Parts: sequence; C-alpha cells; structure tokens
Amino acid sequence: NAGVTQTPKFRVLKTGQSMTLLCAQDMNHEYMYWYRQDPGMGLRLIHYSVGEGTTAKGEVPDGYNVSRLKKQNFLLGLESAAPSQTSVYFCASTPRRSTDTQYFGPGTRLTVL
Amino acid sequence: EDQVTQSPEALRLQEGESSSLNCSYTVSGLRGLFWYRQDPGKGPEFLFTLYSAGEEKEKERLKATLTKKESFLHITAPKPEDSATYLCAVHNQAGTALIFGKGTTLSVSS
Repeated sequence: NAGVTQTPKFRVLKTGQSMTLLCAQDMNHEYMYWYRQDPGMGLRLIHYSVGEGTTAKGEVPDGYNVSRLKKQNFLLGLESAAPSQTSVYFCASTPRRSTDTQYFGPGTRLTVL
Repeated sequence: EDQVTQSPEALRLQEGESSSLNCSYTVSGLRGLFWYRQDPGKGPEFLFTLYSAGEEKEKERLKATLTKKESFLHITAPKPEDSATYLCAVHNQAGTALIFGKGTTLSVSS
C-alpha cells in the first residue's frame, strides 16, 4: 500500500491563479482531511469529509473548496490564490471513525506570489 | 475552548541525556490524545494514542504517559536520529477534528 499520497509536491502560483491539490489513499479509509501548516501556528483543519460525496468545513475554510467524488480521492481547490494561502498543505485519512488515528500524506508546499 | 499547549518550544539535548516533553490540554470529554513525529519536509508520522488517565505506551526510546490534564513524552537516552518536531493533538469535543499543539522541536547532538 502506498498509504496517503499528495500531488503535486511543490507549486508556485501568482495571485489570482487557481489550482487543485489531489490527495489519494489506497487504504479504503472513510474519513479524509485537509490541513495547512504555518510557522508558529501548528496544523489547522481546512475541510474534511466523512465519506464519499460528503464534505464539511473545518477551522479555516475560507478561500478553499473541496470535493470527494470518489472514496479514495479528496481534492482541495483554490479558486483565486492569495499570498495568505502560502503554506504547506497536508492530507490525512482515518479508517472508520473520526476518532481513529489519522494518517498523513507527505505534504504539498505552495507559494503564492 | 478546546486547546493544546506544548512545552518547551525547542529542546536541545546531548546524546544519552534523557528528558521529557509536555502537552497540556483543555477539552471536554477526551476522546484520545495523539503523539506524532514530524521530520523536516515530511508529513506527521503517528507514534502513540492514549485514551485514559494512567495509560502509558512505549516505543523504543519513547514513552508516552497521560493524566487528566496533560501528557508527557519521555525520551530515554536519545540519539541524534530522534531529532524531529514532536506534535501532540486531541480530538475536539464533537470528535470531528484534531486540535494540534504547535510542537516541540528536539535536537540531539552527539
């Protein structure tokens, strides 16, 4: 099993551009999450999904959209990137319950100029 | 408000010098306290889950303990390869999200 994978690993955008980050897991996990990690702030939850076709807002959802059309994939979209969205983005998944252990992907480093 | 505070922010140890990292939390109805290790440029790697006060778990040189208000990660005779940032997290009251502390960056020199 590859576990949780994320593409791309690095990306540089200009203000106003759009992009989609892809998270994929091959563990048949129900729950998936998107976090951002900023220096001095710790990991903060952006959006999450409790199953295929469902999404919900986390702590810092503004400026982001998500979709979970397939159980194994969770997409994070930025429609109009802003410098404040420069961060490292991590995807995570849990097997069956929200209180199960979360397993993280390797991250995507995004810079918005 | 659900909150996790880790201390110290940074810790420098000599190889073999044992110490402890602290994670204090405020959440109603603990559903699990998690310890992760994060290496530079990598995603968090799961270490331990603790569910009730008095519980302890060990893995190699690491031992995690839990009380009603805090958790400790004890590092015995650390080696340079133990250098990393250690993250602590708890579930929020609704159980829908993990709340992370800011982490403790450990540096072990030989």
